[in-house]
Amino acid sequence: EDQVTQSPEALRLQEGESSSLNCSYTVSGLRGLFWYRQDPGKGPEFLFTLYSAGEEKEKERLKATLTKKESFLHITAPKPEDSATYLCAVLGTSYGKLTFGQGTILTVHP
Amino acid sequence: DTGVSQDPRHKITKRGQNVTFRCDPISEHNRLYWYRQTLGQGPEFLTYFQNEAQLEKSRLLSDRFSAERPKGSFSTLEIQRTEQGDSAMYLCASSLSLSGEQYFGPGTRLTVT
Repeated sequence: EDQVTQSPEALRLQEGESSSLNCSYTVSGLRGLFWYRQDPGKGPEFLFTLYSAGEEKEKERLKATLTKKESFLHITAPKPEDSATYLCAVLGTSYGKLTFGQGTILTVHP
Repeated sequence: DTGVSQDPRHKITKRGQNVTFRCDPISEHNRLYWYRQTLGQGPEFLTYFQNEAQLEKSRLLSDRFSAERPKGSFSTLEIQRTEQGDSAMYLCASSLSLSGEQYFGPGTRLTVT
C-alpha cells in the first residue's frame, strides 16, 4: 500500500527565514508526486507535479525537488502570505488515486 | 474556466438522515474523484469516475455511501443513515488525464449532530 509521511508536522518561521519541508514516500510504481497548498476551510490548491528523480520545479518562492524516496519543498525568503498547510501526495498504480501525507502546517511571522 | 464547484458548502444534519452533495468538475475534464478529509489529516480517496463509469472504490466507502456521475458531467455523493463519524470535509477533484494533476473544489463540510 502506498504511504506518504511529511515532516515536520508544524513549522514556524520568521519572514525571510528560508527552510524546507520533507515528504517521504513508498509507492509501487510512482506515476507522479504532487504538492498542494491548503488554506483553512478551503480545498487543496495545486502547486507542482514531479515525475522522476532529479526533477525540480519552481514557482515564486517555492521550489520542489524529487529523489527516489523523498521530495522536498524549499521555501526561500517566505512571507506571511505563505502561511498554509502544505500537502504532498503520490500517484501509484491505482486508477487516479492520490495518497496524501498528513501535511505540514507552515506559519510565517512578520 | 470556473474551476471545480461543490454544493452545498456546509451541511448540518442529524444522525440517521440522508444527505447528498453535488460536484461540477472543470468542463473538459472527464475524470472525477471524491475524497474525505478530517481535521489535521490529508484527504483520503473515496472513489473515481472516468466519464460515467465508476472505476475504483475505496474500502472507506461503506454501503451507506453511493456516488454517481450519470451523464459523465456532474457527480453526486449520497450518504444514507449518517453517523457522527461521517463528519468531515468532502472534497471533489477533476483531472484531464490519469497521471495529471487533480484540481480540487472548495469542499462540502458535513457536520452530523
